[in-house]
Amino acid sequence: EIVLTQSPDCQSVTPKEKVTITCRASQSIGSSLHWYQQKPDQSPKLLIKYASQSFSGVPSRFSGSGSGTDFTLTINSLEAEDAATYYCHQSSSLPWTFGQGTKVEIK
Amino acid sequence: EVHLIQSGAEVKKPGATVKISCKVSGYTFTDYYIHWVQQAPGKGLKWIGLVDPEDGETLYAEKFQGRVTITADTSTDTAYMELTSLRSEDTAMYYCATALVVVVAAPPDYWGQGTLVTVSS
Repeated sequence: EIVLTQSPDCQSVTPKEKVTITCRASQSIGSSLHWYQQKPDQSPKLLIKYASQSFSGVPSRFSGSGSGTDFTLTINSLEAEDAATYYCHQSSSLPWTFGQGTKVEIK
Repeated sequence: EVHLIQSGAEVKKPGATVKISCKVSGYTFTDYYIHWVQQAPGKGLKWIGLVDPEDGETLYAEKFQGRVTITADTSTDTAYMELTSLRSEDTAMYYCATALVVVVAAPPDYWGQGTLVTVSS
């Protein structure tokens, strides 16, 4: 099973700051890495697919990069509505797995 | 507009079986895979498995293999996830989800609202 390790586990950020979340895979997964945002009591929402492709309707401040084993989700100019938990997810090999999540709080 | 509407919350005793439904609308049910994902309270996401509604083929995570059955009813555009021999660790929110592309490895981009299953004696 491919293990995805996110860092940090939690981040407290001031609005308009830049946020960087990393996701490391236990083995190479090419670009089959995706990012989700989940707010309390809501279902996950797809932000980025295949490492760097923005999903339709996602604000341009969200971007992704990386390949192989190391990936990054960047939120440029954080807004209050971005307070949420962010998960990376791999679909390179079964079973599909998710990272443990990174909680982004607003200062 | 695409919708995945799940059945309501369930409370079950240890050892029991639960069956959750996921009714889809807004697209052709047999065109795309349906996934199921587990989220324990305050915890992360775990992929359970998927079904191809066109032919009923399934894939399951090993952790759930033997206890889970995912099916699809094309007459009602509804997918089901049945979990047997319930234990306290199965207490979780369960989501159905789909990716509107014909690629098994595509990340789900439409999700149901979730069904809370509580296992308690």
